[in-house]
Amino acid sequence: QVQLQESGPGLVKPSQTLSLTCTVSGGSISSGPYYWSWIRQPAGKGLEWIGRIYTSGGTSYSPSLKSRVSISLDTSKNQFSLQLSSVTAADTAVYYCARRGGRGELDYWGQGTLVTVSS
Amino acid sequence: EIVLTQSPGTLSLSPGDRATLSCRASQSVAGSYLAWYQQKPGQAPRLLIYGASSRATGIPDRFSGSGSGTDFTLTISRLEPEDFAVYYCQQYGSSLTFGGGTKVEIK
Repeated sequence: QVQLQESGPGLVKPSQTLSLTCTVSGGSISSGPYYWSWIRQPAGKGLEWIGRIYTSGGTSYSPSLKSRVSISLDTSKNQFSLQLSSVTAADTAVYYCARRGGRGELDYWGQGTLVTVSS
Repeated sequence: EIVLTQSPGTLSLSPGDRATLSCRASQSVAGSYLAWYQQKPGQAPRLLIYGASSRATGIPDRFSGSGSGTDFTLTISRLEPEDFAVYYCQQYGSSLTFGGGTKVEIK
């Protein structure tokens, strides 16, 4: 059974860079054809896709966040990471990592981690 | 980017009722790459349906998906108490987008 777990600071100051890591267990992050994704959800609002990385290292990002986002892969640790730069209060949300399958479906999700942007 | 519009925003029903949720896309969704999720408060979304009509592993058969092109539907044949939640549709085309959600609440 694949499991994902997000980790990282729960509080980030405005203008700084938000950094989160997702640790995958129960399967190799190098196996395909899976894409490893980040999604966020502000309190009381809907889901927003941030981006994804393939096992080859190829990435794709949301057009609205593309200028500030970077997703990377560490196959030796079975982890993938998110960096979001120049954060503001609007980036406060629960951040989820998830596995995306071949039909575009997100079949396994982490439990989510709340990141608050505040001074 | 494909925009997904879900309706209604809220559905007030009783246990045992049939629920019909709609998801309309601004452009045709290629390959029926359309999925549905259920989310309960404080929990991550759970995959229900992928490929517009295929049930994910372990999902009861009271959940069914249909549609193609720009119009998709999630049907819950008989609502169980644990089905009251928020439901999201999601498409994968050139990018990945979610609908705004439909809340199914107890009447």
